[in-house]
Order: sequence, then structure tokens, then C-alpha cells
Amino acid sequence: QQPVQSPQAVILREGEDAVINCSSSKALYSVHWYRQKHGEAPVFLMILLKGGEQKGHDKISASFNEKKQQSSLYLTASQLSYSGTYFCGTEKYGSAGNMLTFGGGTRLMVKP
Amino acid sequence: NAGVTQTPKFRVLKTGQSMTLLCAQDMNHEYMYWYRQDPGMGLRLIHYSVGEGTTAKGEVPDGYNVSRLKKQNFLLGLESAAPSQTSVYFCASSSSTSGSLADTQYFGPGTRLTVL
Repeated sequence: QQPVQSPQAVILREGEDAVINCSSSKALYSVHWYRQKHGEAPVFLMILLKGGEQKGHDKISASFNEKKQQSSLYLTASQLSYSGTYFCGTEKYGSAGNMLTFGGGTRLMVKP
Repeated sequence: NAGVTQTPKFRVLKTGQSMTLLCAQDMNHEYMYWYRQDPGMGLRLIHYSVGEGTTAKGEVPDGYNVSRLKKQNFLLGLESAAPSQTSVYFCASSSSTSGSLADTQYFGPGTRLTVL
């Protein structure tokens, strides 16, 4: 089942902050965050694992609430380069190994 | 390192035609994936592979077949293309070997497929 992202879209001025949320109805092993610019491939931002371990970007932070099955991505002091669509992926069990199910995305536009 | 490459970049097919998309990675990754992305939507997993010679179905496998004869290559086939398969197809790979996905997925540049 696909995770639900909110908001669907957000417009910021340069320097403003934003929070993007990702929630799932199923227990999560891990949550992955990717950013995709128009016409390009998704690029890795961060992985949050059960138990609190994080792997990823220095300038972007995120949280993972295992009990609530939610994750939030925090973008602070946004820059023009932050514009793009952000996707969360939640890890679930697959027949041959675990796989990611991606949310529908959050479109972020940062204006000067 | 080229990373993950995909060929072709663009393709137009007529309904009923067949084609194969090629994905290659030079990072010695065990796991490889095929996703499709429709306009304004997220990525949906078609098939994936956890190692050479193995494949498994993802969320939307119908109408597609895959093969992983060599570790570095993952092929996606459409036997009889339909307009509903018009999409952008992304291949990805990761180094996860423990059964979990605690590692980055690296994506290729995508193939834009149109089925008329």
C-alpha cells in the first residue's frame, strides 16, 4: 500500500522552512527520501532506519516515528536548488526480498 | 564510473509491438529494480532482482517480463505494448545484500516510452 505524503505541493520564498510528511498504514522497516527535478532521475537524500539510525544529507534532516509509522523531512533555510518533487519510500517485505513503495510526491517550489 | 545507464532514452511504439529496455550498472550491486513513473505520480515498482539469475514481481508486473542473466544487466521486456504502458521507465540498483533495503538506490536517467 502506497504511503501518503502531505502536503501535495508547497511554495516557499528563499530562506523559509518547510516540512514534508510521509505516513503509512503498515509497520515500516525503513523510510527513504528522494528528490527529483523535472525531467531527471530521483536522487537520494536520506534513509531512516528502525532504531534511529540515519544515513544521508548533511543539510537536510528528518525524523522517523516508528510507533506512528510516520516520517517527516525538514528543509530549513531553503535554497532555490531545493525546488523539485520529494518522494518518500517505505520499505516492505517482498517475495524475494524487501522493496520500496513510493508515495505520490510533494512538489516544492522555492522562489527568490 | 558510469553508474546506472539505460538504453534507449526515448522510444515510440505502436500497439502490439515488442521491445526490450536495457539497464546496466558498474557498481557491482546485487539488487536491481525497474520502476515506471506516470505524469504527476510517484514511482511504481514493476519487477526487481536480488541477484544474478533471480527476479521477482513488484507492484505492477502485468504486461512486463524481466531477465537478469548477468549481474550488471537487468532487462525489461514488453511483449505486446499497450497505450497504458506509456510512461517513463527508471532502472535503479543498490548494494543491499542482507534482505533489507538499508542502502541508497541509484537511479538511471530514464527511458521515455510512448505507445500509440
